Amino acid sequence: GESVGLHLPTLSVQEGDNSIINCAYSNSASDYFIWYKQESGKGPQFIIDIRSNMDKRQGQRVTVLLNKTVKHLSLQIAATQPGDSAVYFCAETFSGGYNKLIFGAGTRLAVHP
Amino acid sequence: GAVVSQHPSWVICKSGTSVKIECRSLDFQATTMFWYRQFPKQSLMLMATSNEGSKATYEQGVEKDKFLINHASLTLSTLTVTSAHPEDSSFYICSASTSSQGDYGYTFGSGTRLTVV
Repeated sequence: GESVGLHLPTLSVQEGDNSIINCAYSNSASDYFIWYKQESGKGPQFIIDIRSNMDKRQGQRVTVLLNKTVKHLSLQIAATQPGDSAVYFCAETFSGGYNKLIFGAGTRLAVHP
Repeated sequence: GAVVSQHPSWVICKSGTSVKIECRSLDFQATTMFWYRQFPKQSLMLMATSNEGSKATYEQGVEKDKFLINHASLTLSTLTVTSAHPEDSSFYICSASTSSQGDYGYTFGSGTRLTVV
Protein backbone atom coordinates (compact mmCIF):
# COMPACT_ATOMS: atom_id res chain seq x y z
CA GLY A 1 0.00 0.00 0.00
CA GLU A 2 1.00 3.65 0.12
CA SER A 3 4.01 4.30 2.29
CA VAL A 4 3.63 7.55 4.15
CA GLY A 5 6.61 8.91 6.03
CA LEU A 6 7.70 5.65 7.61
CA HIS A 7 11.27 5.14 8.71
CA LEU A 8 12.98 1.96 7.67
CA PRO A 9 13.27 -0.98 10.04
CA THR A 10 16.59 -2.82 10.00
CA LEU A 11 17.28 -6.53 9.80
CA SER A 12 20.77 -7.50 10.91
CA VAL A 13 22.15 -10.91 9.94
CA GLN A 14 25.45 -12.71 9.95
CA GLU A 15 27.14 -13.49 6.67
CA GLY A 16 26.09 -16.94 5.52
CA ASP A 17 22.78 -16.93 7.37
CA ASN A 18 19.45 -16.90 5.61
CA SER A 19 17.45 -13.66 5.64
CA ILE A 20 13.71 -13.24 5.59
CA ILE A 21 12.24 -9.86 4.78
CA ASN A 22 8.52 -9.36 5.17
CA CYS A 23 6.05 -7.01 3.58
CA ALA A 24 2.35 -6.36 4.05
CA TYR A 25 0.42 -5.00 1.12
CA SER A 26 -2.89 -3.23 1.28
CA ASN A 27 -4.76 -3.69 -1.97
CA SER A 28 -6.52 -7.03 -2.23
CA ALA A 29 -6.94 -6.37 -5.97
CA SER A 30 -3.18 -6.31 -6.57
CA ASP A 31 -2.17 -9.10 -8.91
CA TYR A 32 1.52 -8.58 -9.49
CA PHE A 33 4.26 -8.10 -6.94
CA ILE A 34 7.94 -7.24 -7.23
CA TRP A 35 10.84 -7.16 -4.81
CA TYR A 36 13.47 -4.49 -5.34
CA LYS A 37 16.90 -3.86 -3.87
CA GLN A 38 18.07 -0.29 -3.51
CA GLU A 39 21.60 0.75 -2.71
CA SER A 40 22.37 4.19 -1.41
CA GLY A 41 21.95 6.89 -4.03
CA LYS A 42 20.73 4.53 -6.71
CA GLY A 43 17.45 3.54 -8.30
CA PRO A 44 15.65 0.31 -7.37
CA GLN A 45 17.04 -2.90 -8.83
CA PHE A 46 14.68 -5.75 -9.75
CA ILE A 47 15.18 -8.93 -7.73
CA ILE A 48 12.21 -11.20 -8.30
CA ASP A 49 8.52 -10.99 -9.08
CA ILE A 50 5.41 -13.07 -8.55
CA ARG A 51 1.88 -13.03 -9.89
CA SER A 52 -1.19 -13.52 -7.76
CA ASN A 53 -1.91 -16.94 -9.26
CA MET A 54 1.24 -18.28 -7.61
CA ASP A 55 2.25 -18.57 -3.96
CA LYS A 56 5.96 -19.23 -4.38
CA ARG A 57 8.65 -18.42 -6.86
CA GLN A 58 12.36 -19.13 -6.71
CA GLY A 59 15.31 -17.40 -8.25
CA GLN A 60 19.01 -17.57 -7.68
CA ARG A 61 19.44 -17.52 -3.87
CA VAL A 62 16.09 -15.78 -3.51
CA THR A 63 12.56 -17.01 -2.95
CA VAL A 64 9.38 -14.99 -2.80
CA LEU A 65 6.33 -16.24 -0.96
CA LEU A 66 2.88 -14.76 -1.42
CA ASN A 67 0.01 -15.22 1.01
CA LYS A 68 -3.04 -13.54 -0.46
CA THR A 69 -5.24 -14.47 2.48
CA VAL A 70 -3.37 -12.15 4.81
CA LYS A 71 -1.91 -9.92 2.07
CA HIS A 72 1.65 -10.77 2.94
CA LEU A 73 4.83 -11.14 0.93
CA SER A 74 8.20 -12.37 2.02
CA LEU A 75 11.61 -12.42 0.43
CA GLN A 76 14.02 -15.11 1.49
CA ILE A 77 17.70 -14.69 0.72
CA ALA A 78 19.85 -17.78 1.15
CA ALA A 79 23.43 -17.59 2.36
CA THR A 80 23.34 -13.84 2.77
CA GLN A 81 26.47 -12.03 1.64
CA PRO A 82 27.86 -8.57 2.48
CA GLY A 83 26.90 -7.48 -1.02
CA ASP A 84 23.27 -8.09 -0.12
CA SER A 85 23.36 -5.18 2.32
CA ALA A 86 20.84 -2.66 1.00
CA VAL A 87 17.27 -1.53 1.42
CA TYR A 88 14.63 -3.93 0.14
CA PHE A 89 11.18 -2.87 -1.01
CA CYS A 90 8.17 -4.82 -2.07
CA ALA A 91 5.93 -3.22 -4.67
CA GLU A 92 2.43 -4.03 -5.86
CA THR A 93 0.32 -3.26 -8.86
CA PHE A 94 -2.96 -4.35 -10.37
CA SER A 95 -4.31 -4.60 -13.88
CA GLY A 96 -6.48 -1.71 -14.89
CA GLY A 97 -4.91 0.90 -12.65
CA TYR A 98 -2.53 2.22 -15.29
CA ASN A 99 -0.30 -0.45 -13.81
CA LYS A 100 1.07 2.04 -11.33
CA LEU A 101 3.54 0.46 -8.98
CA ILE A 102 3.12 1.23 -5.30
CA PHE A 103 6.00 0.63 -2.93
CA GLY A 104 5.89 -0.74 0.58
CA ALA A 105 7.75 0.71 3.53
CA GLY A 106 11.05 -1.04 2.98
CA THR A 107 13.54 -2.89 5.18
CA ARG A 108 17.22 -2.21 5.55
CA LEU A 109 19.29 -5.40 5.50
CA ALA A 110 22.64 -5.18 7.25
CA VAL A 111 24.95 -8.16 6.74
CA HIS A 112 27.78 -8.53 9.23
CA PRO A 113 30.92 -10.57 8.49
CA GLY B 1 17.99 -5.51 -21.26
CA ALA B 2 15.82 -2.43 -20.95
CA VAL B 3 17.69 0.69 -19.89
CA VAL B 4 16.36 3.98 -18.59
CA SER B 5 18.66 6.96 -18.53
CA GLN B 6 17.88 9.68 -16.04
CA HIS B 7 19.75 12.93 -15.76
CA PRO B 8 21.09 14.89 -14.16
CA SER B 9 22.14 12.52 -11.41
CA TRP B 10 22.36 15.43 -9.04
CA VAL B 11 21.55 19.11 -9.14
CA ILE B 12 21.80 22.04 -6.77
CA CYS B 13 19.60 25.04 -7.43
CA LYS B 14 18.65 28.25 -5.74
CA SER B 15 15.30 28.68 -4.08
CA GLY B 16 12.73 30.06 -6.52
CA THR B 17 14.29 28.63 -9.65
CA SER B 18 13.05 25.72 -11.76
CA VAL B 19 14.78 22.45 -12.43
CA LYS B 20 14.12 19.96 -15.23
CA ILE B 21 14.84 16.25 -14.88
CA GLU B 22 14.87 14.00 -17.94
CA CYS B 23 14.04 10.33 -18.19
CA ARG B 24 14.76 8.44 -21.41
CA SER B 25 14.08 4.85 -22.34
CA LEU B 26 17.10 3.92 -24.46
CA ASP B 27 16.18 0.69 -26.16
CA PHE B 28 12.43 0.37 -25.84
CA GLN B 29 9.29 2.40 -26.12
CA ALA B 30 7.76 3.29 -22.80
CA THR B 31 3.98 3.21 -22.82
CA THR B 32 3.86 4.75 -19.40
CA MET B 33 6.31 6.61 -17.23
CA PHE B 34 6.10 7.07 -13.50
CA TRP B 35 7.74 9.66 -11.29
CA TYR B 36 8.61 8.98 -7.67
CA ARG B 37 10.02 11.04 -4.84
CA GLN B 38 12.03 9.56 -2.02
CA PHE B 39 13.02 11.33 1.18
CA PRO B 40 15.95 10.01 3.24
CA LYS B 41 15.30 6.68 4.94
CA GLN B 42 11.82 6.48 3.45
CA SER B 43 10.12 4.59 0.68
CA LEU B 44 9.45 5.68 -2.85
CA MET B 45 6.26 7.69 -3.10
CA LEU B 46 4.50 7.82 -6.43
CA MET B 47 3.98 11.37 -7.63
CA ALA B 48 2.40 10.94 -11.04
CA THR B 49 1.79 8.63 -13.95
CA SER B 50 2.14 9.79 -17.52
CA ASN B 51 1.18 8.23 -20.80
CA GLU B 52 2.69 9.40 -24.04
CA GLY B 53 0.73 12.24 -25.58
CA SER B 54 -1.68 12.76 -22.71
CA LYS B 55 -1.75 14.69 -19.48
CA ALA B 56 -0.17 13.18 -16.42
CA THR B 57 -2.27 11.76 -13.62
CA TYR B 58 -1.10 13.06 -10.28
CA GLU B 59 -1.39 11.31 -6.96
CA GLN B 60 -3.36 12.93 -4.19
CA GLY B 61 -1.47 15.73 -2.53
CA VAL B 62 0.97 16.31 -5.41
CA GLU B 63 0.70 19.80 -6.90
CA LYS B 64 0.44 19.50 -10.65
CA ASP B 65 1.36 23.14 -11.19
CA LYS B 66 4.54 22.71 -9.20
CA PHE B 67 5.65 19.40 -10.65
CA LEU B 68 5.18 19.68 -14.39
CA ILE B 69 5.39 16.45 -16.31
CA ASN B 70 5.75 16.22 -20.05
CA HIS B 71 5.67 12.93 -21.94
CA ALA B 72 5.94 14.05 -25.53
CA SER B 73 7.34 10.84 -26.98
CA LEU B 74 7.51 7.15 -26.21
CA THR B 75 11.11 7.51 -25.12
CA LEU B 76 11.20 10.74 -23.15
CA SER B 77 9.48 12.13 -20.10
CA THR B 78 10.50 15.21 -18.17
CA LEU B 79 9.73 16.42 -14.66
CA THR B 80 10.11 20.13 -14.00
CA VAL B 81 10.12 21.30 -10.42
CA THR B 82 8.95 24.90 -10.63
CA SER B 83 9.79 27.60 -8.11
CA ALA B 84 11.75 25.10 -6.07
CA HIS B 85 12.03 25.49 -2.31
CA PRO B 86 14.24 23.71 0.22
CA GLU B 87 11.40 21.33 1.13
CA ASP B 88 11.48 20.07 -2.48
CA SER B 89 14.96 18.72 -1.86
CA SER B 90 14.66 15.00 -2.40
CA PHE B 91 15.67 12.03 -4.54
CA TYR B 92 13.52 11.86 -7.68
CA ILE B 93 13.29 8.60 -9.59
CA CYS B 94 11.57 7.80 -12.85
CA SER B 95 10.35 4.45 -14.08
CA ALA B 96 9.36 3.41 -17.57
CA SER B 97 6.88 0.70 -18.25
CA THR B 98 5.91 -1.27 -21.28
CA SER B 99 2.63 -3.02 -21.57
CA SER B 100 2.24 -5.86 -23.99
CA GLN B 101 -0.34 -8.63 -23.98
CA GLY B 102 -1.01 -8.23 -20.31
CA ASP B 103 2.61 -8.41 -19.34
CA TYR B 104 4.30 -5.38 -17.95
CA GLY B 105 7.77 -4.58 -16.80
CA TYR B 106 9.21 -1.63 -15.00
CA THR B 107 12.66 -0.19 -15.51
CA PHE B 108 13.96 2.46 -13.17
CA GLY B 109 16.30 5.32 -13.76
CA SER B 110 19.24 5.88 -11.47
CA GLY B 111 17.60 8.83 -9.75
CA THR B 112 18.27 12.55 -9.40
CA ARG B 113 19.36 14.10 -6.12
CA LEU B 114 17.86 17.59 -5.96
CA THR B 115 19.14 20.04 -3.38
CA VAL B 116 17.48 23.44 -3.14
CA VAL B 117 19.47 26.06 -1.28
